[in-house]
Amino acid sequence: TQLLEQSPQFLSIQEGENLTVYCNSSSVFSSLQWYRQEPGEGPVLLVTVVTGGEVKKLKRLTFQFGDARKDSSLHITAAQPGDTGLYLCAGAPESGYSTLTFGKGTMLLVSP
Amino acid sequence: NAGVTQTPKFQVLKTGQSMTLQCAQDMNHEYMSWYRQDPGMGLRLIHYSVGAGITDQGEVPNGYNVSRSTTEDFPLRLLSAAPSQTSVYFCASSPYRDRWGGETQYFGPGTRLLVL
Repeated sequence: TQLLEQSPQFLSIQEGENLTVYCNSSSVFSSLQWYRQEPGEGPVLLVTVVTGGEVKKLKRLTFQFGDARKDSSLHITAAQPGDTGLYLCAGAPESGYSTLTFGKGTMLLVSP
Repeated sequence: NAGVTQTPKFQVLKTGQSMTLQCAQDMNHEYMSWYRQDPGMGLRLIHYSVGAGITDQGEVPNGYNVSRSTTEDFPLRLLSAAPSQTSVYFCASSPYRDRWGGETQYFGPGTRLLVL
């Protein structure tokens, strides 16, 4: 069973601060996805990273896939209240068809 | 496109009652799945389907049945509801292996179920 551990579980910060969320595993993934879920809604895909060491930027969000494809990080610069939500990482297995493995999520609260 | 739709949005059941959670997608996706989301537990896969007529169990399948008679629909049935099935249920679809080799999931808005 492939497990993804996210840290921290909960993060409360002030508007304008920077933060980093981590997603770690002992397993290798062919790709890793980050989703954001707002209260009362389903998760929405933010980004997919595929290549070890890959860095993708989405406005103030920077996503990095570890060189060994076992971990990933999400960095938010100058957080805004609109960034509030549950951030989930999900990994696709390295070989064969199987299902995604989801982390338990990091709940981010950005206060004005 | 409406994407992934789920009905109902909310439901209250008594222990032992049965019900069906509906899920439909209009994106012609091959892969569909059902998850439950509980506090501190994240998203856990219940059942999934890689195409019409094909279903398989996920991490937590007990107490749930599924069928996939069409590409568009993937209903989840609770045969005899239990309080442990109180949760938020999400249906998701995916175009199967996309060109990155991953499985981009498109989620519905969820069904909030309370079993008394």
